[in-house]
Amino acid sequence: GENVEQHPSTLSVQEGDSAVIKCTYSDSASNYFPWYKQELGKRPQLIIDIRSNVGEKKDQRIAVTLNKTAKHFSLHITETQPEDSAVYFCAASIPFGGFKTIFGAGTRLFVKA
Amino acid sequence: KAGVTQTPRYLIKTRGQQVTLSCSPISGHRSVSWYQQTPGQGLQFLFEYFSETQRNKGNFPGRFSGRQFSNSRSEMNVSTLELGDSALYLCASSAGTSGSHEQFFGPGTRLTVL
Repeated sequence: GENVEQHPSTLSVQEGDSAVIKCTYSDSASNYFPWYKQELGKRPQLIIDIRSNVGEKKDQRIAVTLNKTAKHFSLHITETQPEDSAVYFCAASIPFGGFKTIFGAGTRLFVKA
Repeated sequence: KAGVTQTPRYLIKTRGQQVTLSCSPISGHRSVSWYQQTPGQGLQFLFEYFSETQRNKGNFPGRFSGRQFSNSRSEMNVSTLELGDSALYLCASSAGTSGSHEQFFGPGTRLTVL
């Protein structure tokens, strides 16, 4: 069945360093890849997304890359700040009938001041 | 616009009981998806509704069901509750119809099964 693997499960970085989270999806029909940030006790919120016809997208300190051939996509956060500490989820949306969005298991990011 | 709302926010039930959770999407959004969130498992897709029709279903047993009303509000029902059903249940609404649009999440309903 459809699956999204996400690594690492936990990531600890020093403030100002970069953080990279990697995901792999199984269904080649996936065409939309959002990233959500969930702070403790709060709901997930979209931080960036990329569609299958684009290889890279950047929004200030956040960038996402997509390699459709390898079925890999990654989130890059530069100049990390303590407020970046949260759980990050990657996801792949499959346009089957309506659609279904499969999430990775999440990465808990700690940014140490 | 008001965000996605879910009721109730907390529920405690015992094994064997059934439960109904409610989700009101953002006004104008017709797609509603439901997810189960447990520690270490991320968000597991339950089902997606659009214009009162279930378009997709995840790999959950038939005890999990849902519906959507003409005003796009959605409910999910879990019958014969098991201990393993304890989780945060999130719904999300989207303005898009094809899945390539942002989903807006509600605050979730935390279900505890004793």
